[in-house]
Amino acid sequence: GAVVSQHPSRVICKSGTSVKIECRSLDFQATTMFWYRQFPKQSLMLMATSNEGSKATYEQGVEKDKFLINHASLTLSTLTVTSAHPEDSSFYICSATRQAHQPQHFGDGTRLSIL
Amino acid sequence: AQTVTQSQPEMSVQEAETVTLSCTYDTSESDYYLFWYKQPPSRQMILVIRQEAYKQQNATENRFSVNFQKAAKSFSLKISDSQLGDAAMYFCAYRSEGGSQGNLIFGKGTKLSVKP
Repeated sequence: GAVVSQHPSRVICKSGTSVKIECRSLDFQATTMFWYRQFPKQSLMLMATSNEGSKATYEQGVEKDKFLINHASLTLSTLTVTSAHPEDSSFYICSATRQAHQPQHFGDGTRLSIL
Repeated sequence: AQTVTQSQPEMSVQEAETVTLSCTYDTSESDYYLFWYKQPPSRQMILVIRQEAYKQQNATENRFSVNFQKAAKSFSLKISDSQLGDAAMYFCAYRSEGGSQGNLIFGKGTKLSVKP
């Protein structure tokens, strides 16, 4: 149990394109989802915390107008990278949890490459 | 703010031998969780082991065990009988028990190589 599906696994697109990444909890209801970004050979850095039915909480330095997060249901959160540029190329990974302090379950990540 | 430090960017171990990965953290909180995650080349995050700060007993999961020293704020991972499949990046992580978010704070990771 506790499976998190993240889609797509790989995206390659042109600069200026907007890209949507989905994070779904398949067999549980996730009141909280987290979005992390991982640059090559670096650690995971929290971008934002997404709570169902409310606005996401963004970490310092993360542009909320650039990285749009929607958590409209208890099983789905989306991250949209708007007008993506090459510097946005990274590995994006989500995690989901039933409640804020319950164990987190990770998706398999999305490798985003902006040309 | 809490921080997690992994001082070993890379480690190497011979197959079937034992290796210990270091992790220290800084916090003013008394209640928290500590984790070790494994990230193989596939980039999937795999939970290896977790430790509740209020428990004095060190957590163990088969070949994986931790040495949790709360006063020293140290949380090392020991891998016994290392296998080729253990080769991966290992991240130490901290999570508060209180507060409203519950997000994980990761160290920079240790790349473990296993030699046949």
